Amino acid sequence: SQQGEEDPQALSIQEGENATMNCSYKTSINNLQWYRQNSGRGLVHLILIRSNEREKHSGRLRVTLDTSKKSSSLLITASRAADTASYFCATDHNQAGTALIFGKGTTLSVSS
Amino acid sequence: ETGVTQSPTHLIKTRGQQVTLRCSSQSGHNTVSWYQQALGQGPQFIFQYYREEENGRGNFPPRFSGLQFPNYSSELNVNALELDDSALYLCASSSWDATDTQYFGPGTRLTVL
Repeated sequence: SQQGEEDPQALSIQEGENATMNCSYKTSINNLQWYRQNSGRGLVHLILIRSNEREKHSGRLRVTLDTSKKSSSLLITASRAADTASYFCATDHNQAGTALIFGKGTTLSVSS
Repeated sequence: ETGVTQSPTHLIKTRGQQVTLRCSSQSGHNTVSWYQQALGQGPQFIFQYYREEENGRGNFPPRFSGLQFPNYSSELNVNALELDDSALYLCASSSWDATDTQYFGPGTRLTVL
């Protein structure tokens, strides 16, 4: 089963623009993470936000978390062609140790 | 610091065969998790190993089994392969005291014909 659900499924922007992706989840969490995946390769960890945090920054990334709405957003500012990838949110799964539950992802395409 | 490695990179099998995939965890990590990612989908949790024992399992049948070795490396075995087993298999390692952040290997692409 999939806990997270990203929106939109696909996003196309120009270099320099901002990209916003959203994630909704179903059950309570300890934390929420965002990962990036390039062309069907391994996932790269981007950022983790804990359930008691509302906003977190890392370089050009800004993540927000609204536990009352069970949603999170990932903002990538000043996008570059190298940001072209699929982005996944992942939540922890208390019933199975520390398994991560991923959504289907948002495919971001940044054109120059 | 050595990252997570997986072998082989690609594999082609036929229905009914058995396959073994391998993963070496990042140095300092003692927990390994396996995920299956079908085309166009997010990764799905298969199981996790800690101290050579299974510690949590997702919704996968018993023909998916695993091992963890004393050096924390791991194997994923799949018996009686089915066409739907075609996917990217991802291994992730973490420290038991910090398992919320998992570091992924490049994956093994399995094709079942």
